[in-house]
Amino acid sequence: EAGVVQSPRYKIIEKKQPVAFWCNPISGHNTLYWYLQNLGQGPELLIRYENEEAVDDSQLPKDRFSAERLKGVDSTLKIQPAELGDSAVYLCASSSGTPDTQYFGPGTRLTVL
Amino acid sequence: AQSVAQPEDQVNVAEGNPLTVKCTYSVSGNPYLFWYVQYPNRGLQFLLKYITGDNLVKGSYGFEAEFNKSQTSFHLKKPSALVSDSALYFCAVRPNTGGFKTIFGAGTRLFVKA
Repeated sequence: EAGVVQSPRYKIIEKKQPVAFWCNPISGHNTLYWYLQNLGQGPELLIRYENEEAVDDSQLPKDRFSAERLKGVDSTLKIQPAELGDSAVYLCASSSGTPDTQYFGPGTRLTVL
Repeated sequence: AQSVAQPEDQVNVAEGNPLTVKCTYSVSGNPYLFWYVQYPNRGLQFLLKYITGDNLVKGSYGFEAEFNKSQTSFHLKKPSALVSDSALYFCAVRPNTGGFKTIFGAGTRLFVKA
């Protein structure tokens, strides 16, 4: 079974530029998560999807972050414009059923200069 | 506020010795409890979970965890550590009421010395 796929793995951008991350979850997994992981810390939830619906986006900074999950499969997370403090690893995870054991992708390491 | 605490930033153990990585939580109700491991430049990998039943849960790679409801703890254990166990370990708690958001601890780095 293929795991969660994320791209790109690394991204370096100048501040104020836009950036987008892509995630393809495990086939059949209805729930998709985007997490932010700062160095030395655990993942923090940004947004959770159940199929196409964002059911928890309370931690997503909506002034600059946006996400979509078209057709309930792949998802894209966008930042526009990026700030220096956005430098972190962005993790995507998916799960199916309850309790939701989450399967994580390798993450995208974003560096904002 | 709901929280997960991993009181040790790093645990050092000699290969072949038993290891324990500690986790305590403050979450109402009867949450689901998880342990994940993260290797360098990799995403988190599921190790084990507690839902209900036997307080001792067995997982991948010889790891096990002991749930203690009175102490609200879920410590990760392994009888005999391997150098390859060196990694970053995260405890996670998912409330089974309310928003169901999984809360992760800050992580504990395990270093196993040969």
